[in-house]
Amino acid sequence: EVQLVESGGGLVQPGGSLRLSCAASGFTFSTYSMNWVRQAPGRGLEWVSYITSGSSAIYYADSVKGRFTISRDNAKNSLYLQMNSLRDEDTAVYYCARDPTRGYWAIDYWGQGTLVTVSS
Amino acid sequence: EIVLTQSPGTLSLSPGERATLSCRASQSVSSSYLAWYQQKPGQAPRLLIYGASSRATGIPDRFSGSGSGTDFTLTISRLEPEDFAVYYCQQYGFSPPYTFGQGTKLEIK
Repeated sequence: EVQLVESGGGLVQPGGSLRLSCAASGFTFSTYSMNWVRQAPGRGLEWVSYITSGSSAIYYADSVKGRFTISRDNAKNSLYLQMNSLRDEDTAVYYCARDPTRGYWAIDYWGQGTLVTVSS
Repeated sequence: EIVLTQSPGTLSLSPGERATLSCRASQSVSSSYLAWYQQKPGQAPRLLIYGASSRATGIPDRFSGSGSGTDFTLTISRLEPEDFAVYYCQQYGFSPPYTFGQGTKLEIK
């Protein structure tokens, strides 16, 4: 069974930093591209970042470019999101999400999310 | 950036009725890269449709997708009580950023 478990969320002051982690299991993590997607309270989904299986291609939403860094450790079956210079508008539930990487383009599995609150 | 606009914002229907949800792109999107998701309160999204018209694993056949170019549609043929949720379209895999539409809330009338 595919499982994606996010951790690392919490309360942080504006301008602060936070590192999110996603532990993957139930599939061969090293062969799949991955994403982070966020959802502000009461709002819609916002795609944040994408990384290929070997980290050769990385993309970001304009709203986080230069502040957030996506990375992965295939030996640890883990995906990360380093978030710096956090702003109030970064407050959201952050989802780790898998790209099927073969056959079709979509996000096929999602974690349950971790809440990041940016507030003074 | 490709902007996806979903309509209507809210759709009020009764169980058994047919639902038609629209997703319009600001520029042409290959149908291979258009997906639909369902999200219920307090839950993560679930993939319904990929490639504009292919149902994901385990999705009932009352859900169907269609469209091409800039206009895409999600149709639910006969609404079941569990179908009342928020639906999002996304263009994914062709041109980052991989944007979502703002969502359509399907509510019970």
